[in-house]
Amino acid sequence: ELKVEQNPLFLSMQEGKNYTIYCNYSTTSDRLYWYRQDPGKSLESLFVLLSNGAVKQEGRLMASLDTKARLSTLHITAAVHDLSATYFCAVDRTSGSRLTFGEGTQLTVNP
Amino acid sequence: NAGVMQNPRHLVRRRGQEARLRCSPMKGHSHVYWYRQLPEEGLKFMVYLQKENIIDESGMPKERFSAEFPKEGPSILRIQQVVRGDSAAYFCASSPPTGHRLAGVPYEQYFGPGTRLTVT
Repeated sequence: ELKVEQNPLFLSMQEGKNYTIYCNYSTTSDRLYWYRQDPGKSLESLFVLLSNGAVKQEGRLMASLDTKARLSTLHITAAVHDLSATYFCAVDRTSGSRLTFGEGTQLTVNP
Repeated sequence: NAGVMQNPRHLVRRRGQEARLRCSPMKGHSHVYWYRQLPEEGLKFMVYLQKENIIDESGMPKERFSAEFPKEGPSILRIQQVVRGDSAAYFCASSPPTGHRLAGVPYEQYFGPGTRLTVT
């Protein structure tokens, strides 16, 4: 059974600081997705990582994938309050199959 | 191009009633996935359907839950005799058929706004 684990589950940070969220998964896959969810809302796609060594950046967020280590990271640079949300990573075994989600990381950025 | 649509957005049912949740995929998408999110938890896969076929229902509870995706019309997730533990947000996602995916565009599932079910 594919398992996906995120840490930390809760993250409180000051504006302007940097931090990294980690996502480990248990079986071979070279496709990993990051989503953002605001309270009471749906999932917003942030990044799709499709190969070992993939790195993508959008604004203050940067995601990377190491398929050998079965690890993805979501790095936050100079956090701002607007980044407060819950971030999920998800993995699928093959294209078109179901997504297995991590538990989510609830990020709070304090002024 | 309208996104994935779900209705109703909020649904309140008393214990023992039936709940019907609808999902209209994005135009041109023929794959539908249902996920459930319990309060303060991540999303859990329930079922994957293509038109008129259930492809993977390994995440569906064995009783009271069923799903369909007819040739015409939306996909429906049906919960019979609801209990308080069914209270959750139910999200639908869609993706295009494999042969229709654009070259260079990574495959991904597109999520709807969700239906928040409350069982009283």
